Amino acid sequence: GNSVTQMEGPVTLSEEAFLTINCTYTATGYPSLFWYVQYPGEGLQLLLKATKADDKGSNKGFEATYRKETTSFHLEKGSVQVSDSAVYFCALRGSGGSNYKLTFGKGTLLTVNP
Amino acid sequence: DTGVSQDPRHKITKRGQNVTFRCDPISEHNRLYWYRQTLGQGPEFLTYFQNEAQLEKSRLLSDRFSAERPKGSFSTLEIQRTEQGDSAMYLCASSTSGRDQETQYFGPGTRLLVL
Repeated sequence: GNSVTQMEGPVTLSEEAFLTINCTYTATGYPSLFWYVQYPGEGLQLLLKATKADDKGSNKGFEATYRKETTSFHLEKGSVQVSDSAVYFCALRGSGGSNYKLTFGKGTLLTVNP
Repeated sequence: DTGVSQDPRHKITKRGQNVTFRCDPISEHNRLYWYRQTLGQGPEFLTYFQNEAQLEKSRLLSDRFSAERPKGSFSTLEIQRTEQGDSAMYLCASSTSGRDQETQYFGPGTRLLVL
């Protein structure tokens, strides 16, 4: 079945540091890939997505590129801010018959210090 | 667009009691999903509706769990004879079946604590 493996946390960075959170997946066919973010006390929010190989999703300075050859969708940001502190989830939506449910990774807690 | 709403936001109950949660999806969304999230884990799929039809149930959804979506609008998730292992955050999401159908929009969740 489908699965998502993402970098273990927690990750602690200083403001303006470079961020990478690794995500790899296992799925048949051509899944859609997502990063969701969960700020303290809030629900999951879609951060960015990519629906086909080599697509780059971007939002709020975050980027991730759908790499089918390495089955990866790593999240990057060039300069993090304190307000980026949150839990980040990588997820996939399978292609084919079961193409509606999301499969999530375990989440990575990011703390950005001033 | 008011987003996905869930009620209640928090629920504390004693083991063996029944609880019911409600989800109101984004108004034009015909697909609705329930997920469960335990501490330190990502959300896990429970069940999915397209309009009023429940099209899939996860093996996580034991016989004590039942979900409905009458008239294809709001949905309810009931847990009967709650157990301590049911303590979790229950998330609802919705999406369209048209353009942007792959994007699910999540509600704030209902946090359940079973004592």
